[in-house]
Amino acid sequence: DAGVIQSPRHEVTEMGQEVTLRCKPISGHDYLFWYRQTMMRGLELLIYFNNNVPIDDSGMPEDRFSAKMPNASFSTLKIQPSEPRDSAVYFCASRSTGSSSYEQYFGPGTRLTVT
Amino acid sequence: TQLLEQSPQFLSIQEGENLTVYCNSSSVFSSLQWYRQEPGEGPVLLVTVVTGGEVKKLKRLTFQFGDARKDSSLHITAAQPGDTGLYLCAGDTGTASKLTFGTGTRLQVTL
Repeated sequence: DAGVIQSPRHEVTEMGQEVTLRCKPISGHDYLFWYRQTMMRGLELLIYFNNNVPIDDSGMPEDRFSAKMPNASFSTLKIQPSEPRDSAVYFCASRSTGSSSYEQYFGPGTRLTVT
Repeated sequence: TQLLEQSPQFLSIQEGENLTVYCNSSSVFSSLQWYRQEPGEGPVLLVTVVTGGEVKKLKRLTFQFGDARKDSSLHITAAQPGDTGLYLCAGDTGTASKLTFGTGTRLQVTL
């Protein structure tokens, strides 16, 4: 079975540009999570969805960040405009309500560099 | 906000040595998970502990959940280079579907 799929794997962009990160969760999973990982702050939850509905976006840094989940098999995280401090690895993860103890499956991540 | 502090932050040891990583919090968790992350990849679940005092073994790895369900430890016996990676603990409070991840322990095992 395919795991969580993220694209692109690497993104280099200039400050001020719009960046869109994409995620395809594992089929049948009803929860989707977006995380950001940096050396300084570790792994931070940005937002998560349940059945395509955003449940908690308290981790979204500011209005420049937005996330959507138009259907059960696709989600996007958009940064507009991007800034150098947004440079990080962004992970998408999914899980199923039926799984034991909130086990999450992570994608390979998107390494974002904003110059 | 629940905080999970891990110690040590960094650990560099030689093959064959034993080590213990700690995960501590002032909050009570319904369950606690341990993940390992290798460079260029996402975290991968190693184990979930649910009951206070629970001990689980995964080959050379032993995981323990504290009696009060506020802390956990990971012990590796006879470490191997393949154990190299970032170890993350993550707890859930049972009232939300999200996990709180620890600060991480970066382990390097050399020959």
